[in-house]
Amino acid sequence: DADVTQTPRNRITKTGKRIMLECSQTKGHDRMYWYRQDPGLGLQLIYYSFDVKDINKGEISDGYSVSRQAQAKFSLSLESAIPNQTALYFCATSDRKQGTNTGELFFGEGSRLTVL
Amino acid sequence: GEDVEQSLFLSVREGDSSVINCTYTDSSSTYLYWYKQEPGAGLQLLTYIFSNMDMKQDQRLTVLLNKKDKHLSLRIADTQTGDSAIYFCAETKGVYNTDKLIFGTGTRLQVFP
Repeated sequence: DADVTQTPRNRITKTGKRIMLECSQTKGHDRMYWYRQDPGLGLQLIYYSFDVKDINKGEISDGYSVSRQAQAKFSLSLESAIPNQTALYFCATSDRKQGTNTGELFFGEGSRLTVL
Repeated sequence: GEDVEQSLFLSVREGDSSVINCTYTDSSSTYLYWYKQEPGAGLQLLTYIFSNMDMKQDQRLTVLLNKKDKHLSLRIADTQTGDSAIYFCAETKGVYNTDKLIFGTGTRLQVFP
């Protein structure tokens, strides 16, 4: 089983619908991230969380919200989806331990979202 | 990733060396990374270099870091068809230097026979 699991893997929805992408991890990491990937733009950081009570906006948080339900779960919501939110979304985790932490991110396999 | 720039495409013949270049902006980044994304998959860490190093070699991979010019490169020796993927460089941002990673646009490497 994957250490970082994203659901759904693929979703097609209509403009104005509410969408939730879920991420769960078994790595025991305290940090979790949501990125968006668009061709030619690389990965852009949407939100990140250092623990259950710590949520931070990334580069492109407008139109998105997140919830850190538990250390192992971090969900991304689009309250009213629009076509330019069509993209591939990645959840990632990392470990905070100082001294040994190189900041390596561990990624899920991605959730492809299409908004019509 | 407006802070980290890469060329979008690179095409090489199997057996040749590939060199993927990256320029970054944050001179305080503690680590710089190369991630690999194979088709239909998430990113995986390929290698990283600590900011006080100029070079790091790991089997077929050589990373060169020029801090003065904020330039990072990844050289893949004896490139194979299995090396075809998108390669992302990334820099660290934040007070603790590993708070978050900022990725480049990615370079799609195509290896032909």
